[in-house]
Amino acid sequence: RKEVEQDPGPFNVPEGATVAFNCTYSNSASQSFFWYRQDCRKEPKLLMSVYSSGNEDGRFTAQLNRASQYISLLIRDSKLSDSATYLCVVPRTSGSARQLTFGSGTQLTVLP
Amino acid sequence: NAGVMQNPRHLVRRRGQEARLRCSPMKGHSHVYWYRQLPEEGLKFMVYLQKENIIDESGMPKERFSAEFPKEGPSILRIQQVVRGDSAAYFCASSPSRAGEETQYFGPGTRLLVL
Repeated sequence: RKEVEQDPGPFNVPEGATVAFNCTYSNSASQSFFWYRQDCRKEPKLLMSVYSSGNEDGRFTAQLNRASQYISLLIRDSKLSDSATYLCVVPRTSGSARQLTFGSGTQLTVLP
Repeated sequence: NAGVMQNPRHLVRRRGQEARLRCSPMKGHSHVYWYRQLPEEGLKFMVYLQKENIIDESGMPKERFSAEFPKEGPSILRIQQVVRGDSAAYFCASSPSRAGEETQYFGPGTRLLVL
């Protein structure tokens, strides 16, 4: 099992739609999680941190289910500017705790 | 407050040449990380450094790759005798030194093309 697995996508949704991405992780000891977004040929940018059961920031909601080792990202009222690749990220808990493990990403395209 | 800076942004090398990639962390950050993103793939951890120390190099290829973060100046990722398979985007990230602070902020990357 991969350390971090994501929906492969791509997701093509109309403006205003609600879309959800899933991510599973293999290390049950992981305590914190991140969602980054990466635009084409750009660097990853932090979108949300998740330390407890979930986090909400405007149109974005992240939920964590520790029992199922599952994280989700919900985007409501999608905008054209939300088009990007969304990366599920889990810090490694053994050895260097600061090493981030990235999922392969889920590509989202919001259509006009 | 300037973000993480990397240079050059684009680098073209011929097979067998050396590539030097530079990274200046955000002000106040003393932890630097290097990641590599191969075409159509996710980011992979390479190395984690603090000033003058390599903390974790478990993701570094065994040969030709080295990294340093001197007391003064930027962190350097050095690739000797480059091969076509080294063509990738190399991202540097930095984080504060506060205990428990895991958020990493990424620079714009250096895109290396080996001809």
